[in-house]
Amino acid sequence: SQQGEEDPQALSIQEGENATMNCSYKTSINNLQWYRQNSGRGLVHLILIRSNEREKHSGRLRVTLDTSKKSSSLLITASRAADTASYFCATDPYGNNRLAFGKGNQVVVIP
Amino acid sequence: GAGVSQSPSNKVTEKGKDVELRCDPISGHTALYWYRQSLGQGLEFLIYFQGNSAPDKSGLPSDRFSAERTGGSVSTLTIQRTQQEDSAVYLCASSLAIRGIHGLFFGSGTQLSVL
Repeated sequence: SQQGEEDPQALSIQEGENATMNCSYKTSINNLQWYRQNSGRGLVHLILIRSNEREKHSGRLRVTLDTSKKSSSLLITASRAADTASYFCATDPYGNNRLAFGKGNQVVVIP
Repeated sequence: GAGVSQSPSNKVTEKGKDVELRCDPISGHTALYWYRQSLGQGLEFLIYFQGNSAPDKSGLPSDRFSAERTGGSVSTLTIQRTQQEDSAVYLCASSLAIRGIHGLFFGSGTQLSVL
């Protein structure tokens, strides 16, 4: 069953603005991951945050994790047209990458 | 290879036929996964291979679905007697099996259309 649930489902922003997406889940996790998908095909792993971490950065990406609220957020700073994609969160209860994906957020960055 | 390779990239078949989908993981990755993505169901886990351990088949939707991984490398997902609801993108992924550290590397998927 799907554990991750992203919010909002669709986001349209101007280039240079920040984009924030949220994800909630229901069970305990070993880690939570964010993926990007372009054109409905292969997913690209963006970042993994473990259950004992609260925040993680990778380039223009910032991920937070609040295990007490069972929620995570992904922030993309200074967005670019190339960031236009669908973004998925995925929970990993046991640390073996048997992931439960959310429904995804469609982000459109307008040049 | 440099990435996860899947073939074919597109497959159109008639209802009732069997299909085989192939996945070639990244060299050295001991864990291999099959997921599928459809409009109605989103991304669903199907099956997971880890080294020589028995695969986790708990995500396979019916006994028409099976998968094998030969020699710890290439994997084949077989769907027997295909149905229209099997139409989806089938995604293969691999990873280094170090607990909770590495994410998945996905292939580009096989778009399966059952007519």
